[in-house]
Amino acid sequence: GAGVSQSPSNKVTEKGKDVELRCDPISGHTALYWYRQSLGQGLEFLIYFQGNSAPDKSGLPSDRFSAERTGGSVSTLTIQRTQQEDSAVYLCASSFTAGAYEQYFGPGTRLTVT
Amino acid sequence: AQRVTQPEKLLSVFKGAPVELKCNYSYSGSPELFWYVQYSRQRLQLLLRHISRESIKGFTADLNKGETSFHLKKPFAQEEDSAMYYCALSGTLNSGGSNYKLTFGKGTLLTVNP
Repeated sequence: GAGVSQSPSNKVTEKGKDVELRCDPISGHTALYWYRQSLGQGLEFLIYFQGNSAPDKSGLPSDRFSAERTGGSVSTLTIQRTQQEDSAVYLCASSFTAGAYEQYFGPGTRLTVT
Repeated sequence: AQRVTQPEKLLSVFKGAPVELKCNYSYSGSPELFWYVQYSRQRLQLLLRHISRESIKGFTADLNKGETSFHLKKPFAQEEDSAMYYCALSGTLNSGGSNYKLTFGKGTLLTVNP
């Protein structure tokens, strides 16, 4: 079946602009995660959704970052007033439910802020 | 605070040689440990997890709680093993809460030379 998909695959934006990154999880997966992969920092957790529970936002680096998940499926990560340090690959993952289940990763969105 | 340390950024071995990728962790609770792998131009994928106690592609990893380590080993490396390897942690907190997000190490780039 289809895996986790993300769009766009690449995004170049000017400093100060807002961007939206989209994630389509595997159908039936109730848990959804966003991570950021950047040079020197490795992979960092951003936010986690589980069903209808309140999301775990503990990894969001600033209030310019937000995410929502509509209808328990598609998720959008929004970065407002982008800065150059936001340049990274943003990865989405989903799992059957929360817990020690395998997280399946999408291909990522490469964000470049100029 | 939870932390995963992979001391080697780069590891180069010859085909047929044994390989060990080191991972140490710090966690205030019962950890679940994972190894994820990212082959060139492919998405991040799970290689193995300690609760499964399985061998995947000839790789094994043993959780050593005394040394807080989860090193990945393979007795005879193959060229197709060349990839970026990430050790990751999640689990149950001492406070009783659950922690489903993955905390990753910074990764080790393994190169297997012919």
